[in-house]
Amino acid sequence: QQQVKQSPQSLIVQKGGISIINCAYENTAFDYFPWYQQFPGKGPALLIAIRPDVSEKKEGRFTISFNKSAKQFSLHIMDSQPGDSATYFCAASGDNNRKLIWGLGTSLAVNP
Amino acid sequence: NAGVTQTPKFRVLKTGQSMTLLCAQDMNHEYMYWYRQDPGMGLRLIHYSVGEGTTAKGEVPDGYNVSRLKKQNFLLGLESAAPSQTSVYFCASRDGRLAEQFFGPGTRLTVL
Repeated sequence: QQQVKQSPQSLIVQKGGISIINCAYENTAFDYFPWYQQFPGKGPALLIAIRPDVSEKKEGRFTISFNKSAKQFSLHIMDSQPGDSATYFCAASGDNNRKLIWGLGTSLAVNP
Repeated sequence: NAGVTQTPKFRVLKTGQSMTLLCAQDMNHEYMYWYRQDPGMGLRLIHYSVGEGTTAKGEVPDGYNVSRLKKQNFLLGLESAAPSQTSVYFCASRDGRLAEQFFGPGTRLTVL
């Protein structure tokens, strides 16, 4: 049973466009929602994270939108660049040990 | 500051063989985690540790054992490797006061 559902599985965007990746969760006890970025052959790296007491968090070109009532959160990449081409994972956590429940990932390709 | 390192980077085993994967971190983090990453499955937690001398089961612990004898090291053992354990294994660590997990570069394991 997948507790964090991520879509789309893959995404192709033109340079300068907006990339949007969505995640939905089921467990209302989750209180930490990170997005990780992974390049081929590398480990995931934290991109941006949000807690449920805010509806939006922005860091540079990356924004998380959070909808607590709908149990959904999304990653927006503004002015997408070829260097953003990577796999993006959403995740959620709700315990003190910060065990992460991961989405299945979205492969993003930004065409030049 | 090397962060999180993993050895070996690649390994090929025959069914029934055993091996140990080593994870080391130099950030004095209390928490350490072992994940496996499979195509279409995202990342799944195998075992984790909340401090030196402690270990706990994650989502998919069967067939694996772990040890945390030193704070900086977290070992993942396969006693009798099976083809189903072919995967990329990632180690991560975390400061107990913060939520961010820092990942190593991964170990690609193939079991024939």
